[in-house]
Amino acid sequence: DQQVKQNSPSLSVQEGRISILNCDYTNSMFDYFLWYKKYPAEGPTFLISISSIKDKNEDGRFTVFLNKSAKHLSLHIVPSQPGDSAVYFCAAYFSGTYKYIFGTGTRLKVLA
Amino acid sequence: NAGVTQTPKFQVLKTGQSMTLQCAQDMNHNSMYWYRQDPGMGLRLIYYSASEGTTDKGEVPNGYNVSRLNKREFSLRLESAAPSQTSVYFCASNRKDRDSPLHFGNGTRLTVT
Repeated sequence: DQQVKQNSPSLSVQEGRISILNCDYTNSMFDYFLWYKKYPAEGPTFLISISSIKDKNEDGRFTVFLNKSAKHLSLHIVPSQPGDSAVYFCAAYFSGTYKYIFGTGTRLKVLA
Repeated sequence: NAGVTQTPKFQVLKTGQSMTLQCAQDMNHNSMYWYRQDPGMGLRLIYYSASEGTTDKGEVPNGYNVSRLNKREFSLRLESAAPSQTSVYFCASNRKDRDSPLHFGNGTRLTVT
């Protein structure tokens, strides 16, 4: 049973426009959420996170929104750049378990 | 500043062979993890070690064993490899609190024929 779901396997966006990546989760015990970016032949790298007590966190071009009632989070990238082309994973964590559960990933392609 | 180092980078095994994937981190992290990445399945947790001396099963532990050799090193062993274990394996580490994100190695690509 997939506790963290990314229903869009891929997304294409024009350079300069907004990219919106979505993630849904089923376990209401998750209290921390993260986004990772992965380039081919490399390990995932941390991008941005959000605690369950917040509904928004911003870091430069990246903003993560959390809607707890809908069990949904999204990552906004504005403006999108060709270097943002990668696979993006969302991950969820609940305190005390030390386990991070990842989604299946969304491949973002930013077209120049 | 190596971070998380995994060896080997690539490996081909025949069904039934055994091997150990090595992982070491130089960030003085308490917790270490093994994930596998498969197409359409994302990253799935195999085993983790919250601190030196402890290990616990993740989502997909069957067919694997782990050893937390010391604070720096966490190895993953396949005793009798199967084609279903063909995957990319990632090791990760963090400080053992939720505000410390995982740092990943660059992966080991394993093919079992």
